[in-house]
Amino acid sequence: SSELTQDPAVSVALGQTVRITCQGDSLRSYYASWYQQKPGQAPVLVIYGKNNRPSGIPDRFSGSSSGNTASLTITGAQAEDEADYYCNSRDSSGNQGVFGTGTKVTVL
Amino acid sequence: EVQLVESGGVVVQPGGSLRLSCAASGFTFDDYTMHWVRQAPGKGLEWVSLISWDGGSTYYADSVKGRFTISRDNSKNSLYLQMNSLRTEDTALYYCAKDKGGGGYDSWYFDYWGQGTLVTVSS
Repeated sequence: SSELTQDPAVSVALGQTVRITCQGDSLRSYYASWYQQKPGQAPVLVIYGKNNRPSGIPDRFSGSSSGNTASLTITGAQAEDEADYYCNSRDSSGNQGVFGTGTKVTVL
Repeated sequence: EVQLVESGGVVVQPGGSLRLSCAASGFTFDDYTMHWVRQAPGKGLEWVSLISWDGGSTYYADSVKGRFTISRDNSKNSLYLQMNSLRTEDTALYYCAKDKGGGGYDSWYFDYWGQGTLVTVSS
């Protein structure tokens, strides 16, 4: 199976922009999806495909991809965006899923 | 409203077996691929297994292949995970998750999750 690598932690000032990246070979073949997880809660899908937001996800969340790197951007971060964020994709074989290592986002 | 409710998590000894269940409601269950995802205490998410809408295709993470079996009963709107030869490293919160695709398409995006059921493997 493949690996997806994320920075362990990032911080952002309230109202500023933060970008979280996810790197892995399988991202050259498959789009990533992104999940927000707050303590004690199940993950929530925030971005999928090229740059799609499920219903109810604020438009300050956006996604992009280039080569082996997928990115999640929060434009105008809010206090409620403080959470762990995980990317996900298929592995290079296409027959297994793989999650990124996770990024803890702190809003200052 | 989509609901996924997992059950079956308990404390089990290494080498033991367990079957997890996930009761689904609020959507046409037999239209969608389903997944199991787990999270060890204080750790990240790990994809475990997928089953297609009709049960015809199943995939597993290398870490569970040969020990776990995913299945579904569309007449009961239920998903299962049979876990054999359990190891201490299988200790985790196990989530069932709905695939966003539908209509025979596996998107590998998880748009609804249950609250999880805790499996503890310990002697």
